[in-house]
Amino acid sequence: NAGVTQTPKFRVLKTGQSMTLLCAQDMNHEYMYWYRQDPGMGLRLIHYSVGEGTTAKGEVPDGYNVSRLKKQNFLLGLESAAPSQTSVYFCASSYGGPWETQYFGPGTRLLVL
Amino acid sequence: KQEVTQIPAALSVPEGENLVLNCSFTDSAIYNLQWFRQDPGKGLTSLLLIQSSQREQTSGRLNASLDKSSGRSTLYIAASQPGDSATYLCAAPRTSGSRLTFGEGTQLTVNP
Repeated sequence: NAGVTQTPKFRVLKTGQSMTLLCAQDMNHEYMYWYRQDPGMGLRLIHYSVGEGTTAKGEVPDGYNVSRLKKQNFLLGLESAAPSQTSVYFCASSYGGPWETQYFGPGTRLLVL
Repeated sequence: KQEVTQIPAALSVPEGENLVLNCSFTDSAIYNLQWFRQDPGKGLTSLLLIQSSQREQTSGRLNASLDKSSGRSTLYIAASQPGDSATYLCAAPRTSGSRLTFGEGTQLTVNP
């Protein structure tokens, strides 16, 4: 089992550019999450999904969109990147809700110039 | 709103020492308390999950305790090793809603 994988590992964008981060899990988990991790702010939830075809806003959703067309994939999109979106992005999944053990991907480091 | 605090932010100890990492939370109505480990440049790995009805949970050299009434959890690491060097984070899910609130972590360095 690969667990949770994320692509790309690292990306540099210019302000205003768009990109999509891909998360895939092979554990048949229902719940998937996107977090961002920033110094002094900790991990914050951006969006999450409770199953295929569903998405919901987390703590810091502005500037991001998500889609869960397939159960194993959860995509995070930045339509118009801003320097404030420079961060490390983590995807996670869990079989049940967030009260169960979450499994994290290795992260995507994004730099917006 | 749940707030999770971890003190100290960084800790350096010699190899072999027993140590305790602290986690405090403001809302005692938590569903469980989770401890994670994060190595530099990597994602988080779950270490221990303590249900709200439990007082402690053990895995190898790790022991986590939970005191809901005081809003505290501790992670005890016995006979520390250089391989234990990492950032340790605690997190608590709210009893309703879907957000896991994380502390900022304690960066542990175990010196050979």
